[in-house]
Amino acid sequence: KAGVTQTPRYLIKTRGQQVTLSCSPISGHRSVSWYQQTPGQGLQFLFEYFSETQRNKGNFPGRFSGRQFSNSRSEMNVSTLELGDSALYLCASSLVGDLYEQYFGPGTRLTVT
Amino acid sequence: QQQVKQSPQSLIVQKGGISIINCAYENTAFDYFPWYQQFPGKGPALLIAIRPDVSEKKEGRFTISFNKSAKQFSLHIMDSQPGDSATYFCAASMGSGYSTLTFGKGTMLLVSP
Repeated sequence: KAGVTQTPRYLIKTRGQQVTLSCSPISGHRSVSWYQQTPGQGLQFLFEYFSETQRNKGNFPGRFSGRQFSNSRSEMNVSTLELGDSALYLCASSLVGDLYEQYFGPGTRLTVT
Repeated sequence: QQQVKQSPQSLIVQKGGISIINCAYENTAFDYFPWYQQFPGKGPALLIAIRPDVSEKKEGRFTISFNKSAKQFSLHIMDSQPGDSATYFCAASMGSGYSTLTFGKGTMLLVSP
């Protein structure tokens, strides 16, 4: 079974621009969560989607948003990029019946210059 | 504030030795405690997890010890190998049914040959 895939793997953007990251969960997984990983703050929860609905949101500004499609694929968007948004953005998916076990993708490395 | 405190930040162990990483949590509502292993350039991979109704769980060379009264849990890696060199994260989740993991800051483990 294929794992969680994320595209693109690497991205360089300029301050003020916006970016969209994509995540395809493991087949059959309907819950998708997003995390931001930085050396200083570690892994921080962004938001979680299930059945196209955002069920939980972390403590991030409104510039961070996401959505989930009917096939469970998810996208996250960051608008008006700031230098501090440079991070590894990780997507994780889990089965409906076993929401605790999350499986992570390789991440998208975003660099804001 | 939901927090998971992890120590040490880094650890050097000789091949064949025991690696021990500790975590402490504050929120007694947490009821699922996974450990993740992350290699450079990869996303975190679920290693082993425990729920508070057991005090120990073993999978191969990896063992989680859980002390509910002290609100602490630890990862023991027996017979540590150079291939175990990675960053390890403890995490915790609440029994709300939502997939939100609160992570520790991570421990960088180096197993010397």
